[in-house]
Amino acid sequence: KAGVTQTPRYLIKTRGQQVTLSCSPISGHRSVSWYQQTPGQGLQFLFEYFSETQRNKGNFPGRFSGRQFSNSRSEMNVSTLELGDSALYLCASSLGGGGNEEQFFGPGTRLTVL
Amino acid sequence: AQSVTQPDIHITVSEGASLELRCNYSYGATPYLFWYVQSPGQGLQLLLKYFSGDTLVQGIKGFEAEFKRSQSSFNLRKPSVHWSDAAEYFCAVGAGNNDMRFGAGTRLTVKP
Repeated sequence: KAGVTQTPRYLIKTRGQQVTLSCSPISGHRSVSWYQQTPGQGLQFLFEYFSETQRNKGNFPGRFSGRQFSNSRSEMNVSTLELGDSALYLCASSLGGGGNEEQFFGPGTRLTVL
Repeated sequence: AQSVTQPDIHITVSEGASLELRCNYSYGATPYLFWYVQSPGQGLQLLLKYFSGDTLVQGIKGFEAEFKRSQSSFNLRKPSVHWSDAAEYFCAVGAGNNDMRFGAGTRLTVKP
């Protein structure tokens, strides 16, 4: 089975722009979670999608949004980029049964905001 | 709210030596606990997990962890470290619906 894929792997944007990141989960997985990883804050949960619905959300401003498609692929959007949004964005997929499942992580998208 | 503390930011061990990485959690109910490893430029790989049952959990790459409810700990151990184990290690607690809370991570350096 192919693993979780994320595109693009690297991205450079300037302040004020918006960006869309993509995540393709493992085949058969219906849950996709997003995390932001920075040296200062570590790994922080952004949100989780299951069956095209946001099921859980972390403590991030509304500039961070996401969606999930019927094939379980997910996108994450960040609008009005700030310097502090520079981070590694990780996507993880799981079967989606709820509770606390084993999550499989993608390699991440490295976003740099100039 | 659930949280995880990894007291050691950086640990250095010699190749062949034993390793213990500490993890303490705070969670009101029975915790779901995980250890992940991240190599530079890579995503996270699951080493092992604890949901219930036997408190000593075996994982991949020769790692094991022991859940101690009385100490709210889930320490990761390996009897003999290899140079390829150099990476960052994250302990995490599951908070329901795949909302996973991670510790700050422990960076492991292996001396030849």
